[in-house]
Amino acid sequence: QVQLQQSGPRQVRPSQTLSLTCAISGDTVSNNNAAWNWIRQSPSRGLEWLGRTHFRSWWYTDFPVSLKSRVIINSDTSKNQISLQVNSVTPEDTAVYFCAREVVRNVSTHYFYYGMDAWGQGTTVTVSS
Amino acid sequence: DIQVTQSPSSLSASAGDRVTITCRASQRISTYLNWYQQKQGKAPRLLIYSASSLQSGVPSRFSGSASGTDFSLTIRSLQPEDFAVYYCQQSYVSPHTFGQGTILDIK
Repeated sequence: QVQLQQSGPRQVRPSQTLSLTCAISGDTVSNNNAAWNWIRQSPSRGLEWLGRTHFRSWWYTDFPVSLKSRVIINSDTSKNQISLQVNSVTPEDTAVYFCAREVVRNVSTHYFYYGMDAWGQGTTVTVSS
Repeated sequence: DIQVTQSPSSLSASAGDRVTITCRASQRISTYLNWYQQKQGKAPRLLIYSASSLQSGVPSRFSGSASGTDFSLTIRSLQPEDFAVYYCQQSYVSPHTFGQGTILDIK
C-alpha cells in the first residue's frame, strides 16, 4: 500500500521560497509506471496541477507554462522522496499543497496516464509577512 | 490547455437517490478522464479512471461513462458517506486539468 507523507513549513514570507517534501513508502520514486505530482488547492483556483517528475530511464519533468519559471521538482532516490520548490512566492500562492502518485503506462515510447491513485495528506501553506 | 467543465456546480439529493454529474472537455480526449471524490479536509480520492474503470476498493454503485467529449459519473443509491465534492480531470494532454468541482449535499 503506497503512502505519501508530506513535510515542510506552513508559513512562508512573500518573495521567499516555498519548500515541501513528500516521502514515499510502498513504492519507489524511480518506478517507471508512476509519475510523482504536486497539486495545490485554493478557493480561488480550485485544484491546480504544479508539475510532475517521472523516471523514463532518464528523469522527465513537466510543468504548466504559467508556473514553469518558478517551480522546481526534484527526486531523491536515496531517500525515496520528491520535493517541491516554488520561488518568489506571493499571497496568491497560499493554498493546500498535495503530492500524488499518477499511474503511467508506456506503449511504444508513448506515455499514458491513468489518474492519481495515492495522495499525501496535504499541507496548508500560508504566504504572509 | 484543455478545459473540463463540470455540471452542475452543486447538487442536493437524498440517501438512496441516483445522481449523475457531467464533465465536458473542450476538445477530444479519448477516454482519458478520471473522477475523484474529496471530503472536507482530506485529499481527493480516485474513483474512476479511463472514463469508466472502477478504481480498486471503490464501491460498485459508482460508475462512469463517455460519449465523445462528454463524460458522466453516476452514483446509484446514494449512501451517507457519498456526500462530498466530486472532480473530473483529463489526463490526455499536459497539463492534466481538473474541473471546478460539484458539491453533492444532502437535501
